[in-house]
Amino acid sequence: NAGVTQTPKFRILKIGQSMTLQCAQDMNHNYMYWYRQDPGMGLKLIYYSVGAGITDKGEVPNGYNVSRSTTEDFPLRLELAAPSQTSVYFCASSSQTGGRYEQYFGPGTRLTVT
Amino acid sequence: AQSVSQHNHHVILSEAASLELGCNYSYGGTVNLFWYVQYPGQHLQLLLKYFSGDPLVKGIKGFEAEFIKSKFSFNLRKPSVQWSDTAEYFCAVNPFNTGNQFYFGTGTSLTVIP
Repeated sequence: NAGVTQTPKFRILKIGQSMTLQCAQDMNHNYMYWYRQDPGMGLKLIYYSVGAGITDKGEVPNGYNVSRSTTEDFPLRLELAAPSQTSVYFCASSSQTGGRYEQYFGPGTRLTVT
Repeated sequence: AQSVSQHNHHVILSEAASLELGCNYSYGGTVNLFWYVQYPGQHLQLLLKYFSGDPLVKGIKGFEAEFIKSKFSFNLRKPSVQWSDTAEYFCAVNPFNTGNQFYFGTGTSLTVIP
């Protein structure tokens, strides 16, 4: 049971390039999330999904897109990278039992846009 | 606006000192509460959680937290810190009426001096 996995671990992009951050979970969780973490700012929710085929915007969705074609995978797409997207990105999934949600986090992707 | 506040941004303690990190939230109604720890270069790991019942919850590594509903607080405590507790600590709130939404504080950086 690998939990939540993310690739790549590190990436440097030039301004205007695009890339996809991969996220997968093997816990059969319906709920998945993408956060970005900036120093002193905590975690900000970018997008989330409540199940395959269903996604919704979080607090900071601009410049990003997601898809959820399967329960396991939740990739995050950056179309035109900007320096403001330099951050650490965490994917998470959550279980839900009787209204009790518990999140599990991936190891993160450190992205630098120059 | 609804929020999660961690008032201590950076705490420095000597080994064996006692720790208390504050967390206050502004959501009304029923909430699920969490503390996560992030060791340098690693992902967030769950320290402890509160769903219901005894407001004093115990987590891993000797940490505990107390939910005080009247104060909208969920402070984290440890009687005697160790150098290995050096990390960033995040409080998170999952308001019951939002379903799967989690809101994070900005984090507290703890440095323990040997």
